[in-house]
Amino acid sequence: EVQLLESGGGLVQPGGSLRLSCAASGFAFSSYAMTWVRQAPGKGLEWVSGISGSGASTYYADSVRGRFTISRDNSKNTVYLHMNSLRAEDTAVYYCAKDHSGYEPDHSDYWGHGTQVTVSS
Amino acid sequence: SYVLTQPPSMSVAPGRTATIACGGSNIERKSVHWYQQKPGQAPMVVIYYDRDRPSGIPERFTGSNSGNTATLTISRVEAGDEADYYCQVCDSSSDPYVVFGGGTKLTVL
Repeated sequence: EVQLLESGGGLVQPGGSLRLSCAASGFAFSSYAMTWVRQAPGKGLEWVSGISGSGASTYYADSVRGRFTISRDNSKNTVYLHMNSLRAEDTAVYYCAKDHSGYEPDHSDYWGHGTQVTVSS
Repeated sequence: SYVLTQPPSMSVAPGRTATIACGGSNIERKSVHWYQQKPGQAPMVVIYYDRDRPSGIPERFTGSNSGNTATLTISRVEAGDEADYYCQVCDSSSDPYVVFGGGTKLTVL
């Protein structure tokens, strides 16, 4: 059974940093790209970042490029989202998702339950 | 950047057919995926690559893609289909690579 468990969310002040983790199990982790998607309160889904199965390729939304960094540790079956220079508009539930493909961004066939990030003073 | 346009909301009576549109420039040249999200839950893919259905998704859910509009059709709508529905395209030749539509809230009357 595929499981994705996010952690690391919380309350952080504007300008602060946070690292989200997503522990995966139930599939050949290194064979699949992984994605982070966020959802602000009462809003729609926003794609944030993706990483290929090998970790060699990374992709970012314009809204986070230069501030967020996605990475993965295939030995630990974990994907990370390092978030710096956080802003109020980054407040959202952050979902980790497994992509259907191993290389390029593709649809996500499994999702975690999400972790809340709140940026506020 | 590529934009996907969905109606914010729609309502349908039980047993009728719901048709949710997703508009985008020459969207027929892209693969479109559809997600269902119920309150308090993570999204779940219901249609991928325009018309493929994951195991466990009822045959009542179908997808199509032509011209500038992709469509999710839900036949014989049930109360349990009430949810937000999002279309998505993934294109490594575009920036950003992944785009979601704004979502459509489906209300079952």
